[in-house]
Amino acid sequence: AQKITQTQPGMFVQEKEAVTLDCTYDTSDPSYGLFWYKQPSSGEMIFLIYQGSYDQQNATEGRYSLNFQKARKSANLVISASQLGDSAMYFCAMRPRGNSNYQLIWGAGTKLIIKP
Amino acid sequence: DVKVTQSSRYLVKRTGEKVFLECVQDMDHENMFWYRQDPGLGLRLIYFSYDVKMKEKGDIPEGYSVSREKKERFSLILESASTNQTSMYLCASSRVGFRETQYFGPGTRLLVL
Repeated sequence: AQKITQTQPGMFVQEKEAVTLDCTYDTSDPSYGLFWYKQPSSGEMIFLIYQGSYDQQNATEGRYSLNFQKARKSANLVISASQLGDSAMYFCAMRPRGNSNYQLIWGAGTKLIIKP
Repeated sequence: DVKVTQSSRYLVKRTGEKVFLECVQDMDHENMFWYRQDPGLGLRLIYFSYDVKMKEKGDIPEGYSVSREKKERFSLILESASTNQTSMYLCASSRVGFRETQYFGPGTRLLVL
């Protein structure tokens, strides 16, 4: 079965601290992509970062980095130096290469609240 | 920048009404998607379109239909709205390609009374 699990329904973090949001996945496809999205209270889903299963290095985009541990099937998002504007829902998603319709498989999300 | 727009941010309809949700993208993307988002369930794919007039069912197509007459426009139709279709509806588009990300519209919050 293909599945994404985000075990943290909610998190409170002090401003300026680093944050790690957990994501584990399950697929039998050896080739897949992993995506993280942010959804502020306004509702729009914003793409943050992508990691391919055969990428040699862990992905980084500004303050976002992905701690990709293939053997453990985990792809945790790390946000460095958190800001108040980081408060949002965060979703992890996976696309196995065998999905002919480019469908993403989504986790249930983690609600992150940054405290001043 | 990619722009995906949805016809309404908020919509209130009555049970049994026919509801049209429209989505337009301006980046000539081949793929377009309609999702439904409910708390604790993540996003669930309703329908997917990979070309004009082409569509595929997603995970929860029952009670919905779609139309794609032009490349930039993808419509979701609720033939006879029911209260269990009260939800947030998100449209997305992407290029063809395994590594391509999906770009989302602002969403439509639909309330069916």
